Amino acid sequence: QVQLHESGPGVVKPSETLSLSCSVSGYSISSGYYWGWIRQPPGKGLEWIGSLSDSDTTYYNPSLKSRVTISADTFKNQLFLKLTSVTAADTAVYYCVRDLQFYGSGSYVYWGQGTLVSVSS
Amino acid sequence: QSALTQPASVSGSPGQSITISCTGTSSDIIAYNYVSWYQQHPGKAPKLLIYGFTNRPSGVSDRFSGSKSGNTASLTISGLQTEDEADYFCSSYTNIITIFGGGTKLTVL
Repeated sequence: QVQLHESGPGVVKPSETLSLSCSVSGYSISSGYYWGWIRQPPGKGLEWIGSLSDSDTTYYNPSLKSRVTISADTFKNQLFLKLTSVTAADTAVYYCVRDLQFYGSGSYVYWGQGTLVSVSS
Repeated sequence: QSALTQPASVSGSPGQSITISCTGTSSDIIAYNYVSWYQQHPGKAPKLLIYGFTNRPSGVSDRFSGSKSGNTASLTISGLQTEDEADYFCSSYTNIITIFGGGTKLTVL
């Protein structure tokens, strides 16, 4: 059973960098599939942030591309998200996800429980 | 950037069927791309219901079905149950980028 668990600070100051980690159990991220991050501002819809492929290639939402970095530590079986220069608009629940299909399909079958990050001074 | 449009809300009574639409603003966002549907209950992570327009992941009830016509994808829920009351999101996958619709709140009266 694949399980994902996000962790990170609940509050980040404006203009600083948001850093989250996602611990994966039940599957080795080095074995394949696309892994990624999706966020949801309180009371609003979902926004895809980006994905990391099995070949270590990253794909980002064009609207966030200049501020986002997604990476992984295959030894620790963790996925990471960094978002720089945050503003209040980055306040959201951040989800770690895994794609259903090995080569990527945009269908996310595994989700973490989500972690709320608030941007506030 | 292309967008996906969903109705803000739909409602139905237990036992009835409802359909939620998802329309692409550009000509090919639905027609040629991979559409998925998700269900989200309050305070919970979304759950994948449909992928590839019509396919259900293992464990998803067959009361949920997906279809496509032109530039519109649809999710139909038959035999409505009170536990179906939730938010529903469609998504389109094109050139590795995933776009979500704004979401539809389903109320079971």
